[in-house]
Amino acid sequence: EAQVTQNPRYLITVTGKKLTVTCSQNMNHEYMSWYRQDPGLGLRQIYYSMNVEVTDKGDVPEGYKVSRKEKRNFPLILESPSPNQTSLYFCASRTGGQNTEAFFGQGTRLTVV
Amino acid sequence: TQLLEQSPQFLSIQEGENLTVYCNSSSVFSSLQWYRQEPGEGPVLLVTVVTGGEVKKLKRLTFQFGDARKDSSLHITAAQPGDTGLYLCAGTSGNTGKLIFGQGTTLQVKP
Repeated sequence: EAQVTQNPRYLITVTGKKLTVTCSQNMNHEYMSWYRQDPGLGLRQIYYSMNVEVTDKGDVPEGYKVSRKEKRNFPLILESPSPNQTSLYFCASRTGGQNTEAFFGQGTRLTVV
Repeated sequence: TQLLEQSPQFLSIQEGENLTVYCNSSSVFSSLQWYRQEPGEGPVLLVTVVTGGEVKKLKRLTFQFGDARKDSSLHITAAQPGDTGLYLCAGTSGNTGKLIFGQGTTLQVKP
């Protein structure tokens, strides 16, 4: 089954404790992205990747890191999480090109206390 | 920074009513997409419009892309409770990996 898998689904952590949210897709898609979703703000892009070893900042990259060492995986790293990073996070993947469909994971609800 | 503005942000209507959701920008987009998101799930694609002036129909849903490719609308005829959800427009511009989303429209259809 074609899917984007995120882990964990829920995470509560403390300020400053490094964490990684994993994302894996089995559709051989070139493009992968991370978004955060906050009430009234829609989905805001954090980072995106157009292929292995090619990443670029989205609209809200501060406080986040990503890497794309393999085509299928695109982990999101929070080196020193802060309470303002409490949010719902989505990973998405799509084939290369301008008008392609984005497939989303089920989301990771992160709370930083 | 390219922005997509959706209106209204919230809509609560009775079953059987019609509604229109708007997605506007000052920028030109290569294409606009509409997604629907249900609680606890990621967004799922409804449609992609590519050509200025294009109209696409999906059962009771009609999507339109503005002539200048800066705006789009979603019209639902005879809304049903199953249409309840968050509707998001999204746009791409140029051959980049950026897919930009609007703030979303939360639709509630009451029986």
